[in-house]
Amino acid sequence: LAKTTQPISMDSYEGQEVNITCSHNNIATNDYITWYQQFPSQGPRFIIQGYKTKVTNEVASLFIPADRKSSTLSLPRVSLSDTAVYYCLVGQNYGQNFVFGPGTRLSVLP
Amino acid sequence: KAGVTQTPRYLIKTRGQQVTLSCSPISGHRSVSWYQQTPGQGLQFLFEYFSETQRNKGNFPGRFSGRQFSNSRSEMNVSTLELGDSALYLCASSSPTRQGLMNTEAFFGQGTRLTVV
Repeated sequence: LAKTTQPISMDSYEGQEVNITCSHNNIATNDYITWYQQFPSQGPRFIIQGYKTKVTNEVASLFIPADRKSSTLSLPRVSLSDTAVYYCLVGQNYGQNFVFGPGTRLSVLP
Repeated sequence: KAGVTQTPRYLIKTRGQQVTLSCSPISGHRSVSWYQQTPGQGLQFLFEYFSETQRNKGNFPGRFSGRQFSNSRSEMNVSTLELGDSALYLCASSSPTRQGLMNTEAFFGQGTRLTVV
């Protein structure tokens, strides 16, 4: 299992771009990188997933360098409603490989 | 398309009792996973079912069990409840393209908040 390391918490202000970096030095060749968002008392919600280079959707961008040992989730122009815990997951299969770390608690301030 | 439905949303049980939680996955999804979330331990994997078979299991005692029905609905059961079993229990469903590969997203339900007193 590829272990991930993320900052425990981050603060930002409304309108700013937020970048959360996740380290996964032991990522395997077939592993994907997936990010989830969780609000209190709700289930995690899929944000974005990638394998290499850059992936962008309507919510975020995911930057993955060539060595794939880290990845950066980029949230453009955050709002108060983006205050949540963000999890980085690395693996090939659901189930036991779907290991959630402590995540990054993002607080967006007015 | 209806999301993942978990019932009940809230539950209060007494130590020593047993409890059954239910999860209805998104229509067409065959993989269902269960997680326990507590403030101290975070999200911990319990088990995963695919086509009525338990495919993976986390490090929980045998008091925690589950099953999946032919319509992919899943139940988990906790027997002899302990105070430490108080948690948010989350179910996730997915539609793996091939043997549960992660290149598809998992959809989580709202969870069942279990309180053991």
